[in-house]
Amino acid sequence: EDQVTQSPEALRLQEGESSSLNCSYTVSGLRGLFWYRQDPGKGPEFLFTLYSAGEEKEKERLKATLTKKESFLHITAPKPEDSATYLCAVDTGFQKLVFGTGTRLLVSP
Amino acid sequence: KAGVTQTPRYLIKTRGQQVTLSCSPISGHRSVSWYQQTPGQGLQFLFEYFSETQRNKGNFPGRFSGRQFSNSRSEMNVSTLELGDSALYLCASSLGTGGNIQYFGAGTRLSVL
Repeated sequence: EDQVTQSPEALRLQEGESSSLNCSYTVSGLRGLFWYRQDPGKGPEFLFTLYSAGEEKEKERLKATLTKKESFLHITAPKPEDSATYLCAVDTGFQKLVFGTGTRLLVSP
Repeated sequence: KAGVTQTPRYLIKTRGQQVTLSCSPISGHRSVSWYQQTPGQGLQFLFEYFSETQRNKGNFPGRFSGRQFSNSRSEMNVSTLELGDSALYLCASSLGTGGNIQYFGAGTRLSVL
């Protein structure tokens, strides 16, 4: 069975304190790994997609990396506006995304 | 370019009723996927439509159904509503080939009383 596990469930950081979120996965055929950000009351907002081990992508203070079994979302010098729930998902075929339960990030000024 | 539009944003229904939710995808996108999000289960895949055909289905009872029209707009129907159907229902659109980015709408918040 395809599974995605995210850790930690919640993370509290001080502004400027860098950290990483983890997403481990077990899938029969990976067609892409996706990171989304979700703010309360809104739909998930696309951040990154990774397709093969070793791939890395960056956007502002965020950097996503992928290995054969897990992905990391590195947050460098976060700001309060980075507070959100970060979701990891894998595409298992025909646009079916299997999501992890997310990491709730709170960045305090 | 307009994003994914879901209507209505909020719905309140009672047990036993049925409900229809609507999703308009991004222009040019032919795939529409539906997800249910609850605090306990997170985001779970309901089904996916591409060119009016259901290509994939999640593990939900037959009370959950959908369809897609020739203009790629999609509707989702839930019949005989149960309290446990209270959730945020999200629609996502994409170009439709493997690994394509799915862009989500803001969702429809359904409350079943």
